[in-house]
Amino acid sequence: LAKTTQPISMDSYEGQEVNITCSHNNIATNDYITWYQQFPSQGPRFIIQGYKTKVTNEVASLFIPADRKSSTLSLPRVSLSDTAVYYCLVGYSGAGSYQLTFGKGTKLSVIP
Amino acid sequence: DVKVTQSSRYLVKRTGEKVFLECVQDMDHENMFWYRQDPGLGLRLIYFSYDVKMKEKGDIPEGYSVSREKKERFSLILESASTNQTSMYLCASSTSGMLYEQYFGPGTRLTVT
Repeated sequence: LAKTTQPISMDSYEGQEVNITCSHNNIATNDYITWYQQFPSQGPRFIIQGYKTKVTNEVASLFIPADRKSSTLSLPRVSLSDTAVYYCLVGYSGAGSYQLTFGKGTKLSVIP
Repeated sequence: DVKVTQSSRYLVKRTGEKVFLECVQDMDHENMFWYRQDPGLGLRLIYFSYDVKMKEKGDIPEGYSVSREKKERFSLILESASTNQTSMYLCASSTSGMLYEQYFGPGTRLTVT
């Protein structure tokens, strides 16, 4: 079962790029890596997903090194509205087996 | 717009009561999930269902059961509520081909006294 480790909290100034790393040392061959954002009093919201190398969408980028034992969520030019908790999810499905493991979350505080 | 709704935002129950938490999604998704969220522990999977009447245990199924009689509805049942089940409960759904792109409901904060 994959285990994930994230920093508990991070601070950043507005306009800076923020990188949040998740460690998943025992990730399995078929595991995908997904990141979510959660605001207070709301459910988490999907941000981005990847399997290897780099994925980019309109919101963020996800960098996954060749060994896949970690992944980095990159948020370009953060604003105050990016203040939230960010979770990584490592999961596997196949041959009737399902495993989903969320990290404990990284609380990002964006400072004006 | 996709929508996952949960029957209550706040719920207070007494120890030993049977508790039902209901979740409905309007996206025709095959997969539905129940998580609990506690400070410092993140989200932990209780159960999930990949089809009607099908279910799989997650990491912490003890003390819980689930029911999925219709595709759009997934119920979490606490047979005999205990104080250590006081938590935020989150329901989510996803399509069969996108297991990890889950849409979450707003959550139910359950307090067991």
